[in-house]
Amino acid sequence: AQTVTQSQPEMSVQEAETVTLSCTYDTSENNYYLFWYKQPPSRQMILVIRQEAYKQQNATENRFSVNFQKAAKSFSLKISDSQLGDTAMYFCAFMWRGAQKLVFGQGTRLTINP
Amino acid sequence: DAGVTQSPTHLIKTRGQQVTLRCSPKSGHDTVSWYQQALGQGPQFIFQYYEEEERQRGNFPDRFSGHQFPNYSSELNVNALLLGDSALYLCASSLGQRVEAFFGQGTRLTVV
Repeated sequence: AQTVTQSQPEMSVQEAETVTLSCTYDTSENNYYLFWYKQPPSRQMILVIRQEAYKQQNATENRFSVNFQKAAKSFSLKISDSQLGDTAMYFCAFMWRGAQKLVFGQGTRLTINP
Repeated sequence: DAGVTQSPTHLIKTRGQQVTLRCSPKSGHDTVSWYQQALGQGPQFIFQYYEEEERQRGNFPDRFSGHQFPNYSSELNVNALLLGDSALYLCASSLGQRVEAFFGQGTRLTVV
């Protein structure tokens, strides 16, 4: 069974700083996807970024980038130039290619302070 | 283009009762998945519907059942409610085998 672990329950940084959220996962599969989702107080899960395991290049989306270390089964999210609107719960998630179910970590509560 | 919509937004039920939650997928999407998110936890997969059939199921008891209609909308039914069923129930839709899932805002169920 796949498991996803986020070891930082809470993080807090000042606006405009850079912050990195950690995620590790455990799987015996070789073909899979990894995701970071953001859940603001509105409760809706919003996809931030995704990474295909077969791609060596780390994914980037504007201020968001990942550090994907397949051998170490590590998938961290870096947020550059953080903004107040980035305040939310962040969930790391895994999906085995061929099954569309997401396995989520426990989440990291990120607060951006003015 | 309406995204994923869920109803109701909040619900209070008594232990032992039954509840039905509803989900309309994003326009054009044919696959609906349901997740349970307990307070302070990540979502857990309940089941997924495609072409009106349950395609995958997570580790949830038979008290949890669902249905998908020809228009791809879906219902989640929970029988014999327990206090531990109190959670945010999230619906996600996707298209075919595509991996990107779009989530609704969830239904907050409180069992008293």
